[in-house]
Amino acid sequence: AQSVTQPDIHITVSEGASLELRCNYSYGATPYLFWYVQSPGQGLQLLLKYFSGDTLVQGIKGFEAEFKRSQSSFNLRKPSVHWSDAAEYFCAVGALRDDKIIFGKGTRLHILP
Amino acid sequence: DTEVTQTPKHLVMGMTNKKSLKCEQHMGHRAMYWYKQKAKKPPELMFVYSYEKLSINESVPSRFSPECPNSSLLNLHLHALQPEDSALYLCASSPHRGANYGYTFGSGTRLTVV
Repeated sequence: AQSVTQPDIHITVSEGASLELRCNYSYGATPYLFWYVQSPGQGLQLLLKYFSGDTLVQGIKGFEAEFKRSQSSFNLRKPSVHWSDAAEYFCAVGALRDDKIIFGKGTRLHILP
Repeated sequence: DTEVTQTPKHLVMGMTNKKSLKCEQHMGHRAMYWYKQKAKKPPELMFVYSYEKLSINESVPSRFSPECPNSSLLNLHLHALQPEDSALYLCASSPHRGANYGYTFGSGTRLTVV
């Protein structure tokens, strides 16, 4: 069965510092991978997605993620965080002809001024 | 229009009430979804509609009754809910059925059952 693991429940970084959020997936076939962001009390916004091709994916708000098949990872990065990036980040996995997108448990990002 | 609109944003209901949640999109998407999200948890899939037909019911209790009257509208009818049903209910849509498209989510309805 497919699954997603986000090993960090909370991450705290200083404003202007770089960020990396970890995501590991388990799936038998080539997965479709997503990163979503959720501000408190809000819905989820899609940051980026990977289906195939270039393993470095660019998203909105200056985020990027790198797909590493050998490590079953899809880590999210940003070179310099802003206070407005404080939110919950969900990694998710889906598959061709599968209706379900399965979400990881999320990583709460805190930004220090 | 690239949004999924959910109403109401907040709802408080008693355990004997009947209420409905509404979701609307005008992106021409033909698949729509209901997710439930408890506090500090990831969203969990409840229902999938594809071309206005129910294609997945994730063993959701019958006190939750979905309805898709047309391709733009998705409702979730609520009856005899329990306090543990309090959660954020998220609607999403995608161009067609299939996880490969990714989903566009609404802002959710915060439901409190008293």
